[in-house]
Amino acid sequence: GEDVEQSLFLSVREGDSSVINCTYTDSSSTYLYWYKQEPGAGLQLLTYIFSNMDMKQDQRLTVLLNKKDKHLSLRIADTQTGDSAIYFCAESLIENTDKLIFGTGTRLQVFP
Amino acid sequence: DTGVSQDPRHKITKRGQNVTFRCDPISEHNRLYWYRQTLGQGPEFLTYFQNEAQLEKSRLLSDRFSAERPKGSFSTLEIQRTEQGDSAMYLCASNTAGELPDTQYFGPGTRLTVL
Repeated sequence: GEDVEQSLFLSVREGDSSVINCTYTDSSSTYLYWYKQEPGAGLQLLTYIFSNMDMKQDQRLTVLLNKKDKHLSLRIADTQTGDSAIYFCAESLIENTDKLIFGTGTRLQVFP
Repeated sequence: DTGVSQDPRHKITKRGQNVTFRCDPISEHNRLYWYRQTLGQGPEFLTYFQNEAQLEKSRLLSDRFSAERPKGSFSTLEIQRTEQGDSAMYLCASNTAGELPDTQYFGPGTRLTVL
């Protein structure tokens, strides 16, 4: 079945790196996404990775994909207070690219 | 701003009332999606349209829910006889069929509170 899991909470000091983890069960993913959600707002696309890639870097964001372990991570370098939000990983599937399967979200809190 | 827009942003209603939400997708996108997000959870797929055709509905979409996209542009989601369990954020997203990556772009959501 389709299941995407994330740890619920992460707290980091401003300037440090944050690593948000995600595991998924379906091996037929095509793309894996990271979205950011600020309080009361919709979802903002941060980055994505194609399932045949291992790593993607986009400015302060680095995505790592371990297909064998079905593990996805998002590293935010030099974390700022403005990065405080909920982060969702999501996958789209080869046999059904018509919907996204989301994780439960990780709340990132950045303190000075 | 040419992003996805939703209206209203907030809706408070009494149990048993009907409510209707509207979504305007990015203009060149032919696919439009509805998701529901309850507190502390990730969004869950409800339904999607390609142009005016509704192609898939989740089992979450009970008979009290109906969605339309009559001209293949904006969409409406109606909930009849609302229940307290319908309280959630309703998110709309859009993209173009066949484009890769199949990134969905989300609107700000409509937060529904059923008293």
